[in-house]
Amino acid sequence: NAGVTQTPKFQVLKTGQSMTLQCAQDMNHNSMYWYRQDPGMGLRLIYYSASEGTTDKGEVPNGYNVSRLNKREFSLRLESAAPSQTSVYFCASSPTGGWSRETQYFGPGTRLLVL
Amino acid sequence: AQSVSQHNHHVILSEAASLELGCNYSYGGTVNLFWYVQYPGQHLQLLLKYFSGDPLVKGIKGFEAEFIKSKFSFNLRKPSVQWSDTAEYFCAVNVNYGGSQGNLIFGKGTKLSVKP
Repeated sequence: NAGVTQTPKFQVLKTGQSMTLQCAQDMNHNSMYWYRQDPGMGLRLIYYSASEGTTDKGEVPNGYNVSRLNKREFSLRLESAAPSQTSVYFCASSPTGGWSRETQYFGPGTRLLVL
Repeated sequence: AQSVSQHNHHVILSEAASLELGCNYSYGGTVNLFWYVQYPGQHLQLLLKYFSGDPLVKGIKGFEAEFIKSKFSFNLRKPSVQWSDTAEYFCAVNVNYGGSQGNLIFGKGTKLSVKP
């Protein structure tokens, strides 16, 4: 099992450009998440998908869109990148999500630099 | 808004020193508590978690944490740190709002540097 995989690992964008971050999990988990990690800020939830076919906003959704393509894949799209979106992006998954005792499993991260 | 506070931004210790990292949360209801660790260049992984029962929880690599409900705290401890414990440590809380979705709320993290 690869667990949670993310592509690309690193990306440089110019302000205004768009891109999609890909995430896939092979653990048959229902719930998937996108976080951003900034120095001194910890992890903040951008969007989540409690189950296939559903998505909801997290703490910092502005400037992002998501697609739960199927049970395995959850993508994050930046339509018009801004320097404030320079960050490390982590995808995570958990078996059922919701209020639970479950562990979230994280991918290796995508480091994004917006110039 | 609910929040998780980690008091120390950066802790520097020598090998064999004891470690205690503080974590406090602001929600008074039912919570599940987690400590995650991020080693340099790696992704986050679970150290330990607590949801009920014995408030002293043991995790991987000799770490433990104590839940003190009256203090809204879930401090992480290790009696003797090693150089390999150098990492960033995140406390996280999963709050039951009475609905179906309770997302993880992370603290800002504490960087631990262990000098050999």
